[in-house]
Amino acid sequence: EIVLTQSPGTLSLSPGERATLSCRASQSVTSSYLAWYQQKPGQAPRLLIYGASSRATGIPDRFSGGGSGTDFTLTISRLEPEDFAVYYCQQYGRSPATFGQGTKVEI
Amino acid sequence: EVRLLESGGGLVQPGGSLRLSCSASGFTFNSYTLSWVRQAPGKGPEWIAAVITGSGGSTFYAESVRGRFTISRDNSKDTLYLQMTGMTAADTAVYYCAKHSREFWYPDTFDFWGQGTMVTVSS
Repeated sequence: EIVLTQSPGTLSLSPGERATLSCRASQSVTSSYLAWYQQKPGQAPRLLIYGASSRATGIPDRFSGGGSGTDFTLTISRLEPEDFAVYYCQQYGRSPATFGQGTKVEI
Repeated sequence: EVRLLESGGGLVQPGGSLRLSCSASGFTFNSYTLSWVRQAPGKGPEWIAAVITGSGGSTFYAESVRGRFTISRDNSKDTLYLQMTGMTAADTAVYYCAKHSREFWYPDTFDFWGQGTMVTVSS
């Protein structure tokens, strides 16, 4: 199975700053089938990005994704207070779908 | 509005069994693959099982649950199930049912999730 490693584990930033999160795959992700999710305490994950760079319905344009092959990034251009959460990457190009261990974005 | 509502979680002894249900609404149930995804405390999500569309749809399992868990769906009731047997402490997690984003597609992203149901395996 494809192992996804996210870095850093925790990102300490202030509102208005830029956040860059990394996700590295143990092997190439087919067709850039890489997604990003946001999870807040006590809630289910919410789909943000699919296909490495396409925003899901209703996701603000301050969220952007990029990368290909084995290296992917999620960028939040200007952090809003509601963006402080845990972010997970997921690959769905090869079964089983797998998730990274998460990056916590904290104030 | 898409809604997924899990039920059936609780405390179970090691070696015991439990059946989870997920009641769905707001979309064409029999057109979408559905999955169970679990999340152990403090860990990332883990996909564990999927069932393709159709009452006799193909099923897929993660290695960690294959042979112990069974996923099924009742398209007449818009309900997804997960039968869990031979449970261990490693199965302790919040269990989510999740809808795949694209019709008839596996594997895929999950565009809607239930609120989750907690399963604790302990004596």
